[in-house]
Amino acid sequence: GAVVSQHPSRVICKSGTSVKIECRSLDFQATTMFWYRQFPKQSLMLMATSNEGSKATYEQGVEKDKFLINHASLTLSTLTVTSAHPEDSSFYICSARRPGVQNSPLHFGNGTRLTVT
Amino acid sequence: AQSVSQHNHHVILSEAASLELGCNYSYGGTVNLFWYVQYPGQHLQLLLKYFSGDPLVKGIKGFEAEFIKSKFSFNLRKPSVQWSDTAEYFCAVNGGKGSARQLTFGSGTQLTVLP
Repeated sequence: GAVVSQHPSRVICKSGTSVKIECRSLDFQATTMFWYRQFPKQSLMLMATSNEGSKATYEQGVEKDKFLINHASLTLSTLTVTSAHPEDSSFYICSARRPGVQNSPLHFGNGTRLTVT
Repeated sequence: AQSVSQHNHHVILSEAASLELGCNYSYGGTVNLFWYVQYPGQHLQLLLKYFSGDPLVKGIKGFEAEFIKSKFSFNLRKPSVQWSDTAEYFCAVNGGKGSARQLTFGSGTQLTVLP
């Protein structure tokens, strides 16, 4: 079964509003989680690395104030898209790796399809 | 619902050996297919992708993959691996239309190439 749960799977919001996406590790504690974004017909782009108890590490070109990441517990990371605009419409996906296990696979959430109208 | 299956969790090869990593998906409609690689300590990189056209797709670093629709497969191949190919490889499928389009990853295959 799934070991990383992402919610919601689909969200439609109005321009100017904020949307929160949750990523949970279900049966392990993830000190690090990764957030990706996929543009239409393009590959996945790493947005940021979420670190439990400290600030997230953002990739170049990703606006920290727009994409707020909070990793408040060892099993939950949240991505908040603030003041969303239509160009933020995209597919967002998170991933985490079980720590301390050699060759542990990277587990992905099912993703969130965000549509901003 | 769509799903992706990667049969081998861990593959160990010697340098110069040929590589084939299996990927099967389940989805009845049109799909886009991807192979990603994650080198140790780094993040996901796109190896190659298939959207349409020639089912034999060539990617970076000598990798290629063949889309066989009848078998719902998109296996990754490389004729001669190098030690630097040691990494984790993920197959992904992007099916559906419009707002229903969803990207699903396989569980990954760890490739270890022995020098």
